[in-house]
Amino acid sequence: GAVVSQHPSWVICKSGTSVKIECRSLDFQATTMFWYRQFPKQSLMLMATSNEGSKATYEQGVEKDKFLINHASLTLSTLTVTSAHPEDSSFYICSAGRLAGGLDEQFFGPGTRLTVL
Amino acid sequence: AQSVAQPEDQVNVAEGNPLTVKCTYSVSGNPYLFWYVQYPNRGLQFLLKYITGDNLVKGSYGFEAEFNKSQTSFHLKKPSALVSDSALYFCAVRDNTGGFKTIFGAGTRLFVKA
Repeated sequence: GAVVSQHPSWVICKSGTSVKIECRSLDFQATTMFWYRQFPKQSLMLMATSNEGSKATYEQGVEKDKFLINHASLTLSTLTVTSAHPEDSSFYICSAGRLAGGLDEQFFGPGTRLTVL
Repeated sequence: AQSVAQPEDQVNVAEGNPLTVKCTYSVSGNPYLFWYVQYPNRGLQFLLKYITGDNLVKGSYGFEAEFNKSQTSFHLKKPSALVSDSALYFCAVRDNTGGFKTIFGAGTRLFVKA
């Protein structure tokens, strides 16, 4: 099956710093990548959708200037949390989508736990 | 608008007993339905999906789900639960008009007691 990796798997940073999270599709080219945020004991909330080479589409309520998404290639998307604050602490999960026989398939990364002190 | 409901925050079952995790959905048109499992501090693992065809879908680790169009439900089932099945389960729906946008339910935590 298709594999999606995230790096780092966990990160601790000081308030006010920026953190970059990478999402890679290892063995396929991803048409679209998604970034989700998950709070403890809660569901995944879609933050944004990105297509390679174009600007990301952010969900309502997500600050695009705070959560910068770059999708430079068909195998790599990055999420940068700018000027992070403790309330940004969360579990961030990416997923990569591809077309397979006309059917969309979506594969999830293992997640990145961000803790902002 | 699409939505997914998982009415139970938690399901408790004894090992060896059958388990059911409930899911209902609301979507215009015919949906794509999914079940995912999440272990602590891990990403989501795909269990199974319903696109079309037989209402009973078989998936990974002995799980299956029954699609019921009239009740707009897609309950996850397993005939005999294992302690290792204890995890967080998410039902998800995606419309079939193109694109990948997926809406997740709130999740149901399954506890299987030995």
